Amino acid sequence: EAGVAQSPRYKIIEKRQSVAFWCNPISGHATLYWYQQILGQGPKLLIQFQNNGVVDDSQLPKDRFSAERLKGVDSTLKIQPAKLEDSAVYLCASSAPTVSGANVLTFGAGSRLTVL
Amino acid sequence: QKEVEQNSGPLSVPEGAIASLNCTYSDRVSQSFFWYRQYSGKSPELIMSIYSNGDKEDGRFTAQLNKASQYVSLLIRDSQPSDSATYLCAVNTGNQFYFGTGTSLTVIP
Repeated sequence: EAGVAQSPRYKIIEKRQSVAFWCNPISGHATLYWYQQILGQGPKLLIQFQNNGVVDDSQLPKDRFSAERLKGVDSTLKIQPAKLEDSAVYLCASSAPTVSGANVLTFGAGSRLTVL
Repeated sequence: QKEVEQNSGPLSVPEGAIASLNCTYSDRVSQSFFWYRQYSGKSPELIMSIYSNGDKEDGRFTAQLNKASQYVSLLIRDSQPSDSATYLCAVNTGNQFYFGTGTSLTVIP
């Protein structure tokens, strides 16, 4: 099966500019996640969707970050305006139950953002 | 916020040795536990999952789970230079996943 697709892979912007990242999850995966991974740290959940509804966005900086998953398939994460501390890799992941019933998370390749 | 704690390392082992990575978690109702490997500049890749107490072996990898102690570990036998990476412990509760900060492993030839 095809994996989680993300684009762009790399983006360099200046502070106060805007940027958008796109993600297409594995076909049939109802749950989609956006994680932020700062260099040297573990992934931090920004937002979780179940189909096109938000399950958890408690750690999303809503004054500058927004995300949508309008048709319950692909998703877009936007940052406007960007700050220097937003420099990170933005990982999209999707999950579905396995035959054992447990959920397993699969990541895309990530989008690396550098804010100058 | 669910806590997942790992020693950040770095951990260095000689080639052929056993590497031991540890993880503790705070939420007693956590159901599933995972180890992801992340090479520099790449995204995390699932290498092991464990759901019940005890050991689970897959090739050179063994995951160990002790729910009473809220402790998960990963043993890598016959460590190879290609095992050099950051290993992330992840804990699943319901449909949510929480990650530790990762342990950096270097296998010295």
